[in-house]
Amino acid sequence: TQLLEQSPQFLSIQEGENLTVYCNSSSVFSSLQWYRQEPGEGPVLLVTVVTGGEVKKLKRLTFQFGDARKDSSLHITAAQPGDTGLYLCAGYGNKLVFGAGTILRVKS
Amino acid sequence: DTEVTQTPKHLVMGMTNKKSLKCEQHMGHRAMYWYKQKAKKPPELMFVYSYEKLSINESVPSRFSPECPNSSLLNLHLHALQPEDSALYLCASSLGRAQPQHFGDGTRLSIL
Repeated sequence: TQLLEQSPQFLSIQEGENLTVYCNSSSVFSSLQWYRQEPGEGPVLLVTVVTGGEVKKLKRLTFQFGDARKDSSLHITAAQPGDTGLYLCAGYGNKLVFGAGTILRVKS
Repeated sequence: DTEVTQTPKHLVMGMTNKKSLKCEQHMGHRAMYWYKQKAKKPPELMFVYSYEKLSINESVPSRFSPECPNSSLLNLHLHALQPEDSALYLCASSLGRAQPQHFGDGTRLSIL
């Protein structure tokens, strides 16, 4: 069974701070997605990473896929209250496997 | 706005009722999924349809019955549910089985 360990589970920070969320596994994934979910809505796809060592940027968000395709990170620069939500990493092995999620709260 | 549409948004039903959840996408995706999500937890896979055929059933109780009438529609028929089945039910679709999934906003289901 493929597992994705996501950390931290909960993060409460002040507006303007930086943060990093990690997803780690002992398994290799063919691709990895990051989603953000707000209350009352479904997860929204932020990015897909496919190549080992790949780095993708989406405004203040930077996503990295490990060289061995077993881990990934999401870094947010200068967090804003609008970044508040549940962040989920999900990796494709033989099916989509989700991490436990990170609840991010950004206080103004 | 999501491109995967789920109806209804909210549903309250008794344990003896029969109801159906509906999901629709017009992106030409050939894989569709049902997930169950409890509060502040990740989605749990229930069913996968690929080219309108059921390809994965994650040992879901028979009181949940999926149906894929065509490539754009996915239904989840509910019968004799239990209070612990109360959750957000999410539908997703993807171009193919290993492609990024796009989620609807879900149906919030409450079992009385």
